[in-house]
Amino acid sequence: DAGITQSPRHKVTETGTPVTLRCHQTENHRYMYWYRQDPGHGLRLIHYSYGVKDTDKGEVSDGYSVSRSKTEDFLLTLESATSSQTSVYFCAISESTSGGETQYFGPGTRLLVL
Amino acid sequence: SQQGEEDPQALSIQEGENATMNCSYKTSINNLQWYRQNSGRGLVHLILIRSNEREKHSGRLRVTLDTSKKSSSLLITASRAADTASYFCASGLSAGNMLTFGGGTRLMVKP
Repeated sequence: DAGITQSPRHKVTETGTPVTLRCHQTENHRYMYWYRQDPGHGLRLIHYSYGVKDTDKGEVSDGYSVSRSKTEDFLLTLESATSSQTSVYFCAISESTSGGETQYFGPGTRLLVL
Repeated sequence: SQQGEEDPQALSIQEGENATMNCSYKTSINNLQWYRQNSGRGLVHLILIRSNEREKHSGRLRVTLDTSKKSSSLLITASRAADTASYFCASGLSAGNMLTFGGGTRLMVKP
């Protein structure tokens, strides 16, 4: 599992409330990613980070912000949650292999916005 | 929009049969990767094929890549009930070490 944990694993919240999801890795990987997974859409990249305080937007970044103040932690924040953000959120790290960059995923966080 | 599309979206076979899943992508890639996801779990990396490779094997998995057609296929031979899962292709780009995922194929292997 490449030493990736996500917290919380499940969360129910109400529309308009802020929510922060945490991804923690133990192996000092430079690149970290946040995806959301919805039926019919596969995985879509929200934001990614290429180092401490270095982040960039992905395909579906609207309504989300991220922060990375330490190598091991990558936080995803929904400033004001909406029902459309109900999803399963996955964190990933990137590791160099002989063929290229391979991503390893955390166990996911199920978020329900009522 | 997604880089990759997979076909079929769902596949049901008997144990022992072979399963073939196809993936198409849109732009130039560094590599093409396949992942498996069991229900309610995270994605697990299966195999990576580089853009200059045409075929790669790993156990019962065989992956082909045709860059001229921008397509790849994953063959699982002698399938088992434990192979029941969703399978995703992901095209690897150099910028940001990013992957772009297809929508996945749901495979059911009946015992």
